[in-house]
Amino acid sequence: NAGVTQTPKFRVLKTGQSMTLLCAQDMNHEYMYWYRQDPGMGLRLIHYSVGEGTTAKGEVPDGYNVSRLKKQNFLLGLESAAPSQTSVYFCASSYPADSSYEQYFGPGTRLTVT
Amino acid sequence: GENVEQHPSTLSVQEGDSAVIKCTYSDSASNYFPWYKQELGKGPQLIIDIRSNVGEKKDQRIAVTLNKTAKHFSLHITETQPEDSAVYFCAAGKTGANSKLTFGKGITLSVRP
Repeated sequence: NAGVTQTPKFRVLKTGQSMTLLCAQDMNHEYMYWYRQDPGMGLRLIHYSVGEGTTAKGEVPDGYNVSRLKKQNFLLGLESAAPSQTSVYFCASSYPADSSYEQYFGPGTRLTVT
Repeated sequence: GENVEQHPSTLSVQEGDSAVIKCTYSDSASNYFPWYKQELGKGPQLIIDIRSNVGEKKDQRIAVTLNKTAKHFSLHITETQPEDSAVYFCAAGKTGANSKLTFGKGITLSVRP
């Protein structure tokens, strides 16, 4: 199993450009999450999904949109990138149905907006 | 919503010594408290977790204690080794439907050889 994979690993955008980050998991997990990690700020939840076709806002959702059309994929979109969105983005998944709430994280995407 | 505070922000110990990292949380309804370790350039990985119906849990050199009354929980690492050097995050959340976590800001642990 590959676990949780993220595409791309690095990206540089100009202000106002758009992009989509892809998260894929092969563990049949129901729940998926997008976080951003900034120095001194820890991990902050952007959006999450508790199943295919569902999404919900997290702590810092503004400027981002998400979609979960397939159970194994969770997409994070930036419609008009801003320098404040420069960050490392992590995707995670979990399978609460087995009473384990462990979140499995991907390797991250480093995004720079100039 | 939940607020998780993590202290201190950096910690340096001598190899072989113990390290203790403390976190506080605000929501008394939170019942799940995991600890994650993040090595440089990687995603965080769960190292131990505890539910609110348990006061302490151990796994080899690491242990977690929970004080529900004071709303704090701590990570204890004994016999530290250089490979324990990493960033450690505590988190708090609720089990059940719509489960999600609130993370602390993280602590950088350095183990001096």
